[in-house]
Amino acid sequence: DFVMTQTPLSLSVTPGQPASISCKSGQSLLHSDGKTYLYWYLQKPGQPPQLLIYEVSKRFSGVPDRFSGSGSGTDFTLKISRVEAEDVGVYYCMQSTHLPPITFGQGTRLEIK
Amino acid sequence: QVQLQESGPGLVKPSGTLSLTCSVSGGSVDSYYWSWIREPAGEGLEWIGRIYSSGSTNYNPSLESRVTMSVDTSKNQVSLNLTSATTADTAVYYCARGRKRSGDYFDYWGQGALVTVSS
Repeated sequence: DFVMTQTPLSLSVTPGQPASISCKSGQSLLHSDGKTYLYWYLQKPGQPPQLLIYEVSKRFSGVPDRFSGSGSGTDFTLKISRVEAEDVGVYYCMQSTHLPPITFGQGTRLEIK
Repeated sequence: QVQLQESGPGLVKPSGTLSLTCSVSGGSVDSYYWSWIREPAGEGLEWIGRIYSSGSTNYNPSLESRVTMSVDTSKNQVSLNLTSATTADTAVYYCARGRKRSGDYFDYWGQGALVTVSS
């Protein structure tokens, strides 16, 4: 199966400080079409998830540039350059290279110190 | 602005069928993929499956034997049926709009519907 493993599972960050979340897949997420279908979502409290990053490193419309994604193959990272209070919630990575199924990481809970 | 709204019974008896409808407004179901995703309390997200506007489907192999999805383009709705429900199916169920056949991702989500499986 296409297991996605996120670390850490929780983060406590002082506003203005950076944060980083790792996502590792059991198999390469490089698709036969040459693209890598790795996405990042943020689920704010009481809300559905919202798309932050698509295809590893492309910011979705309206996403602040303090969010960035990187990686290739099986190892991926989401970075927040300067955490703000509105960034609290649970971050999920998701792969759709090998659908079905589409699979999510376990989630990383970010809180503000 | 596209909006999705899940609706259906909030309580299902064990061994019964969980049925939900996703109503789409501000846009058409045509030419998009429509996924169902669930979130058990305190757990992560699980993709249940998706249906294209033509009616073709992809299901999560872990649920495939119990899942049926359908689309009604005249009503701009998609539906989910999950048979033989157990307490493990208790979750918030989301519908979400998908953009691509390969490398699908979700740009719009409903607010979610809580379904509890209990006698």
